[in-house]
Amino acid sequence: DTAVSQTPKYLVTQMGNDKSIKCEQNLGHDTMYWYKQDSKKFLKIMFSYNNKELIINETVPNRFSPKSPDKAHLNLHINSLELGDSAVYFCASSQAYGGAYEQYFGPGTRLTVT
Amino acid sequence: AQSVTQLDSQVPVFEEAPVELRCNYSSSVSVYLFWYVQYPNQGLQLLLKYLSGSTLVKGINGFEAEFNKSQTSFHLRKPSVHISDTAEYFCAVRSYGNKLVFGAGTILRVKS
Repeated sequence: DTAVSQTPKYLVTQMGNDKSIKCEQNLGHDTMYWYKQDSKKFLKIMFSYNNKELIINETVPNRFSPKSPDKAHLNLHINSLELGDSAVYFCASSQAYGGAYEQYFGPGTRLTVT
Repeated sequence: AQSVTQLDSQVPVFEEAPVELRCNYSSSVSVYLFWYVQYPNQGLQLLLKYLSGSTLVKGINGFEAEFNKSQTSFHLRKPSVHISDTAEYFCAVRSYGNKLVFGAGTILRVKS
């Protein structure tokens, strides 16, 4: 039973298109995150949500819009895709309070913009 | 602001040899440190974490790490590596909002 799942796993699209990536966690965590891993494997936080509220928005272009319909889901919508958006996007979840703090990651979505 | 430096981009090592992957951190608040492993085309898996208490932390797959506050280090070690340990390893520090700040990663290449 997958703890953090993402769909799709691969996404190939053309510049200018709009696409969405979905994430679900069944760990009962209250916080979810989106990270971007670039071509050099560098990982950087994009957003985090705690109980459906935006906590972190890390200077991401406003073409990226996260949405959290409930605390088990965090989706990422990207408008007007650009070549530089090509990357692997990871969803993660954790418990914000209680001392554990470790984040559990999904398998990633490899986005290729042509 | 918190930051992490992984001193080696690649570490080649022969099978059954010991290995150390180096990580230095910078943090102005309480330090929570993590090591994650990423196998090719997969997500990140937690190897171990340091939150408080004993400075020697044991993780999965025979890995351990030592928290050294005076040297601001959290190096990852394994006494005997296997081919299956070939992967990229990321050191991370918890920052505000519970986000993780990652180092640039170290590729461990285990040779037979």
